[in-house]
Amino acid sequence: EAQVTQNPRYLITVTGKKLTVTCSQNMNHEYMSWYRQDPGLGLRQIYYSMNVEVTDKGDVPEGYKVSRKEKRNFPLILESPSPNQTSLYFCASSSPGGGRSNEQYFGPGTRLTVT
Amino acid sequence: LAKTTQPISMDSYEGQEVNITCSHNNIATNDYITWYQQFPSQGPRFIIQGYKTKVTNEVASLFIPADRKSSTLSLPRVSLSDTAVYYCLVGFYNQGGKLIFGQGTELSVKP
Repeated sequence: EAQVTQNPRYLITVTGKKLTVTCSQNMNHEYMSWYRQDPGLGLRQIYYSMNVEVTDKGDVPEGYKVSRKEKRNFPLILESPSPNQTSLYFCASSSPGGGRSNEQYFGPGTRLTVT
Repeated sequence: LAKTTQPISMDSYEGQEVNITCSHNNIATNDYITWYQQFPSQGPRFIIQGYKTKVTNEVASLFIPADRKSSTLSLPRVSLSDTAVYYCLVGFYNQGGKLIFGQGTELSVKP
């Protein structure tokens, strides 16, 4: 089954304790992206990757890191989480084909709470 | 970057047709227009995508006028299960992969 998986689905942590949220897709997609969603603010892009070893900042990259060493995986790293990073996080992937398609497949989400 | 504007919320009744319009005045020549549906605490789900004129699939239609500065998502005969937030998204590779979702339209379908 074609899917995007995220782990963990729920996480409660404390300020400053480094954490990684994993994202994996089995569709051989070139493009992967991370979003955060907060009440009243919609979906905001954190980082994206056009292909292996190619990453770039989205709209809200501060406090986050990513890496793309393999095509299927795109982990999101919070080196020193703070309470303002409490949010619902989504990973997505797509295969832009001719360079125009915006059809993204989203993961189930990771609800992160930083105390 | 193309910015989109949608109504914040809309109400409808079961069985009615719902039209949600998205404004994207500075859409680029090569940009496609994509619509997503999102239920609470779930990831967005792709509904439909188009470039110009009209596109129809099994769940919706997308109308795009000649100037492409707006688009309208049409949901025929909505049911309670269509209650969700609908997002319009414009652009992709023109922006190097950076994507900006608008605020979305919260559709409430009543019995």
